[in-house]
Amino acid sequence: EVHLEESGGGLVKPGGSLRLSCVASGFPFSIYSMNWVRQAPGKGPEWISYISSRSATMYYADSVRGRFTISRDDGQKSLYLQMNSLRAEDTALYFCARDTNTPVMTKSFDAWGQGTLVTVSS
Amino acid sequence: AIQMTQSPASLSASVGDRVTITCRASQDIRNDLGWFQQRPGGAPRLLVYETSNLEDGVPSRFSGSGSGTDFTLTISGLMPEDFATYYCLQDNSYPYTFGGGSKVEIK
Repeated sequence: EVHLEESGGGLVKPGGSLRLSCVASGFPFSIYSMNWVRQAPGKGPEWISYISSRSATMYYADSVRGRFTISRDDGQKSLYLQMNSLRAEDTALYFCARDTNTPVMTKSFDAWGQGTLVTVSS
Repeated sequence: AIQMTQSPASLSASVGDRVTITCRASQDIRNDLGWFQQRPGGAPRLLVYETSNLEDGVPSRFSGSGSGTDFTLTISGLMPEDFATYYCLQDNSYPYTFGGGSKVEIK
């Protein structure tokens, strides 16, 4: 069974840093591209970052570019999000989400974790 | 960034009703459109990918259609477990963007 589990959220002051982790199981993690998606309280989801297999390509939303860094460790079947210079507007539930891409099919965000809550407040 | 305009923002319906939710993209996204269901306290769940392909395990009462800029999610015969919020997602180009959501409530 495919399973994604996020951790590392918590309460942090504005300007602070946090590192989120997402551990995968039930599928060959190394060949899948992965994403971070966040959802502020009462709002819709917002895609914020993507990393391809083998870490060849990374993308960021404008709202986090230059402050957040996505990375992965295939040996540990883990995805990370280093978040620096945090702001109140970064307060959200952060999800990791998998993409499935084949030559004939693209499924974005076909598996999700349950999320880890980040609260940025003084 | 491609803007996704979703409507209605909310609707009330009864069990057994046919429900239609629409999403309009600010530019041509071919068929690069997915639909997600989110129940309170849960993560979004992929229902439909590439406009009309049903994800494994999704009931056949869900269907998607459209192309270019206009897309539709239809639920034919609403079930109690379908009362939730639905989001479209364009995965044509980064930054991927979601619609604003459509909350389906019990009438």
